[in-house]
Amino acid sequence: AQKITQTQPGMFVQEKEAVTLDCTYDTSDQSYGLFWYKQPSSGEMIFLIYQGSYDEQNATEGRYSLNFQKARKSANLVISASQLGDSAMYFCAMRELNTNAGKSTFGDGTTLTVKP
Amino acid sequence: SAVISQKPSRDICQRGTSLTIQCQVDSQVTMMFWYRQQPGQSLTLIATANQGSEATYESGFVIDKFPISRPNLTFSTLTVSNMSPEDSSIYLCSVDRARKQAFFGQGTRLTVV
Repeated sequence: AQKITQTQPGMFVQEKEAVTLDCTYDTSDQSYGLFWYKQPSSGEMIFLIYQGSYDEQNATEGRYSLNFQKARKSANLVISASQLGDSAMYFCAMRELNTNAGKSTFGDGTTLTVKP
Repeated sequence: SAVISQKPSRDICQRGTSLTIQCQVDSQVTMMFWYRQQPGQSLTLIATANQGSEATYESGFVIDKFPISRPNLTFSTLTVSNMSPEDSSIYLCSVDRARKQAFFGQGTRLTVV
């Protein structure tokens, strides 16, 4: 069974600074994908970044980067140059690609607050 | 990116009634997923909807309570039946693109009174 753990219920960061949101995972599958989503107060889920288990380089998308440490089973999200609009809930999710195709397991989320 | 139109965006319903949520995707997809997010909690998968076959429900969710239709490759509905206040949640539909991306509809914020 797959499991995602986000140990930070809430995080604060000063505007323009970088912040790291932690995510660890557990799976017995060798082929899996890791995702990060942003959920603002409106409730929509916004896809941010993807990391495949066989990807050799850490994924980056603009101000978002994923610090993937496979041996430690961690996939932390780094947001650089935080903006007030980054204040939201952030979810880490995983999908096993060989089985349960398409089904994602989500962590409990981290609420990020960016201070002006 | 996939465009998913989900409606209604929110509703307030009386207990004992039913609400049907619709998701329309801008292109054909094999699987569509329905999630529930209870207040202050994470997302929980309700079921996977495949076109041409019955939906596959996760543990704790049953077809009588959450019937799903998937009449074609771009559309699906989820009905929340015989609602109680405990059904107050955000309901989200989701589709995949090449396994590397998953897109969500805008969500339906349901309040049962």
